[in-house]
Amino acid sequence: QEHLVESGGGLVKPGGSLRLSCAASGFTFSDYYMSWIRQAPGKGLEWVSYINSRGDYTKHADSVKGRFTISRDNAKNSLYLQISSLRAEDTAVYYCAREAGRLGFDYWGQGTPVTVSS
Amino acid sequence: QSVLTQPPSTSGTPGQRVTISCSGSSSNIGSNAVNWYQQLPGTAPKRLINSDNQRPSGVPDRFSASKSGTSASLAISGLQFEDEADYYCAAWDDILSNWVLGGGTKLTVL
Repeated sequence: QEHLVESGGGLVKPGGSLRLSCAASGFTFSDYYMSWIRQAPGKGLEWVSYINSRGDYTKHADSVKGRFTISRDNAKNSLYLQISSLRAEDTAVYYCAREAGRLGFDYWGQGTPVTVSS
Repeated sequence: QSVLTQPPSTSGTPGQRVTISCSGSSSNIGSNAVNWYQQLPGTAPKRLINSDNQRPSGVPDRFSASKSGTSASLAISGLQFEDEADYYCAAWDDILSNWVLGGGTKLTVL
């Protein structure tokens, strides 16, 4: 049974940093591209970052480029998102999701909330 | 501003058929599969169906999808109260080389 569990969210001051984690189980993690997608309060979904299966190619949305870094550790079946220089507009629930080609994001975690406030 | 355009809201009564549209461009919907996600209140999104009409197990065949040119649609027939949710479309964009999503459509079952 495929399972994704995010952690690491919390309350942080503007300009601060956090490291979000996503623990994967129930599938061969190293076979899949992975993404982070966020949802601000009362708003829609926004794709943030993706990483290929080997971890040697990443892409970030323009809104987070230079501030967020996606990475993975296939030996630990884990995905990460280092978020830095945080702004109020980064306040959101952050979801990790497995990518499956034409099936899109076929599995999602439950999300971890990040609140940026002084 | 979302790359894919969806109506903000729609509604229907139990038993009715409703459709939700998703408009894009040749670099996303025109070139790639479109996936639809359902987000029930207070929960994480889940994959619903794609434009090839592939549904995960457990998703009823009341949900169907189609695509034509640079537009896609999600249809829900035999509407039920449990279908009340937010629905999002998404596709890969060949020019941006990243995923693009619609702004979401809130479905209300009256």
